[in-house]
Amino acid sequence: DSGVTQTPKHLITATGQRVTLRCSPRSGDLSVYWYQQSLDQGLQFLIQYYNGEERAKGNILERFSAQQFPDLHSELNLSSLELGDSALYFCASSVGGQGNTEAFFGQGTRLTVV
Amino acid sequence: GQQVMQIPQYQHVQEGEDFTTYCNSSTTLSNIQWYKQRPGGHPVFLIQLVKSGEVKKQKRLTFQFGEAKKNSSLHITATQTTDVGTYFCACNSGYSTLTFGKGTMLLVSP
Repeated sequence: DSGVTQTPKHLITATGQRVTLRCSPRSGDLSVYWYQQSLDQGLQFLIQYYNGEERAKGNILERFSAQQFPDLHSELNLSSLELGDSALYFCASSVGGQGNTEAFFGQGTRLTVV
Repeated sequence: GQQVMQIPQYQHVQEGEDFTTYCNSSTTLSNIQWYKQRPGGHPVFLIQLVKSGEVKKQKRLTFQFGEAKKNSSLHITATQTTDVGTYFCACNSGYSTLTFGKGTMLLVSP
């Protein structure tokens, strides 16, 4: 158990819909990362928050947004969903925000868009 | 942003054979991390390398950071079926503090 909790584990939704993925980081970790993993793809970096503020942004689509709340949990919002958005979405947390401390991953949310 | 290239993309070995995956960058890295993702699982941190020329060992796994801090390797001696999974390197890039390579998928046949 990494200590990072992601909900839900599985999500099936229709095209055009909107969903919210939730991540609770490990206790004490200030940094939260979101990654997308599709078949045959690596871990595509989406966005990073550190202590409530956006730290870095990857190739995140405009239809996607995220935030980190005062209690440090984070949510990833995906809207106007398309079939191609079907993927495994991972959240990871770390103590630091500079990529020089171990990152702990959640179990992931498998999103299927039909 | 800074990218890391991993090779090979895929390798299938017989149990007992050795395995090596390489991670290369065109620019100097401040540090590099290695993760393992088992099939159906999530990435799990293995190690971090920081110093030029650093070599670290974990049982049958040997991790190396190049002298120029532009490349790294993970070598597994005498693979076992439990080594199956995808091995990722990750680095601090210009746009993300933790950018992952595409990974090397290792299959081990008994």
